[in-house]
Amino acid sequence: KNQVEQSPQSLIILEGKNCTLQCNYTVSPFSNLRWYKQDTGRGPVSLTIMTFSENTKSNGRYTATLDADTKQSSLHITASQLSDSASYICVVSALRYNTDKLIFGTGTRLQVFP
Amino acid sequence: GAGVSQSPSNKVTEKGKDVELRCDPISGHTALYWYRQSLGQGLEFLIYFQGNSAPDKSGLPSDRFSAERTGGSVSTLTIQRTQQEDSAVYLCASSLGLAFSTDTQYFGPGTRLTVL
Repeated sequence: KNQVEQSPQSLIILEGKNCTLQCNYTVSPFSNLRWYKQDTGRGPVSLTIMTFSENTKSNGRYTATLDADTKQSSLHITASQLSDSASYICVVSALRYNTDKLIFGTGTRLQVFP
Repeated sequence: GAGVSQSPSNKVTEKGKDVELRCDPISGHTALYWYRQSLGQGLEFLIYFQGNSAPDKSGLPSDRFSAERTGGSVSTLTIQRTQQEDSAVYLCASSLGLAFSTDTQYFGPGTRLTVL
């Protein structure tokens, strides 16, 4: 069964600290993995997209890694800011026929306090 | 427009009524997606359009749900005979549709549906 699991479910950190969010998946055949940031009451915003051959991708203070062998991804946030408070959603695409089927994780709720 | 827009932003309806949700994608985006996000749950994929056709309808939860897209632009998601479990935020996204597997999807603000 195609599944995406994220951990931790929620996380509280102090402003300026780093943190790492985890995403484990059992999706086959794998097409790509995306990380989204969703502010409360808003639609998700794409942070990174990685295909099978990519190990790491950065977007400002956000760095995503992918290990396709162990089927794990992480999102590292450096020097956190109050505006980083949001839900972070991992989405894995399963290639089905000639289209992708998106499987969503339930997200990690990050709160950054001053 | 500057981004994906959805209307209405909030909809309260009575059980058994039909509702229609609208999505205006970013101009020029050929791919359009509908998702549902229930309280405390992750995003759930419903359907996507490439142009006016829907290659993947597998996410629609029941035959009470239908969607259409006309002119390769505006899309409507219709829920017939609404049930309380349909209460959720319905999100629409669009993308260029050039390379489906790696397109960045741009999301609208969502429509919050409450079924009483």
